[in-house]
Amino acid sequence: RKEVEQDPGPFNVPEGATVAFNCTYSNSASQSFFWYRQDCRKEPKLLMSVYSSGNEDGRFTAQLNRASQYISLLIRDSKLSDSATYLCVGAIGGGYNKLIFGAGTRLAVHP
Amino acid sequence: GAVVSQHPSWVICKSGTSVKIECRSLDFQATTMFWYRQFPKQSLMLMATSNEGSKATYEQGVEKDKFLINHASLTLSTLTVTSAHPEDSSFYICSARGDIDTQYFGPGTRLTVL
Repeated sequence: RKEVEQDPGPFNVPEGATVAFNCTYSNSASQSFFWYRQDCRKEPKLLMSVYSSGNEDGRFTAQLNRASQYISLLIRDSKLSDSATYLCVGAIGGGYNKLIFGAGTRLAVHP
Repeated sequence: GAVVSQHPSWVICKSGTSVKIECRSLDFQATTMFWYRQFPKQSLMLMATSNEGSKATYEQGVEKDKFLINHASLTLSTLTVTSAHPEDSSFYICSARGDIDTQYFGPGTRLTVL
């Protein structure tokens, strides 16, 4: 079983739609979680950290449920520029010591 | 934010040759750098953790004699793929850890072995 599992998608949504991605993790030693965004043939870029209390950054909302070992990302009012692969990432060892990446969920936003 | 560069951005080589990839932190010192590999439609996989002035720590299944890592200074780590074969073709990405324990990723190096 993969340590971090995501639905690969693709999610094809129209502009303005709300889309939700889910992720599960199996390593209970994972201490911190993040969502990264990766464009085609580019390096991953940090989108946001994920907390149990939930956190919001503009149109993006992330949530962590440690009991269920489940992480979510909600994108509201999708833009064309949101088209990318979204990577769910767990960190072991505190902070950014060792990152475990999911395979990513592809999002395609169309006009 | 902090900047990490990689060189070259892409490389094509013949089977059996060795390829060196450089990872540099441009505006900060990084005692720890990480090397990842990503095959198409797969996740980034950590290959090794590179610590300045000491031997790298390799992940299970990664051959240390094939993937040589040198972290000779606080701003430079190199990964050498020795005797490269077509199955080594991949996207190699480094990251550098800054003072606030944040990882900054380089732009990646696309290696194609013919």
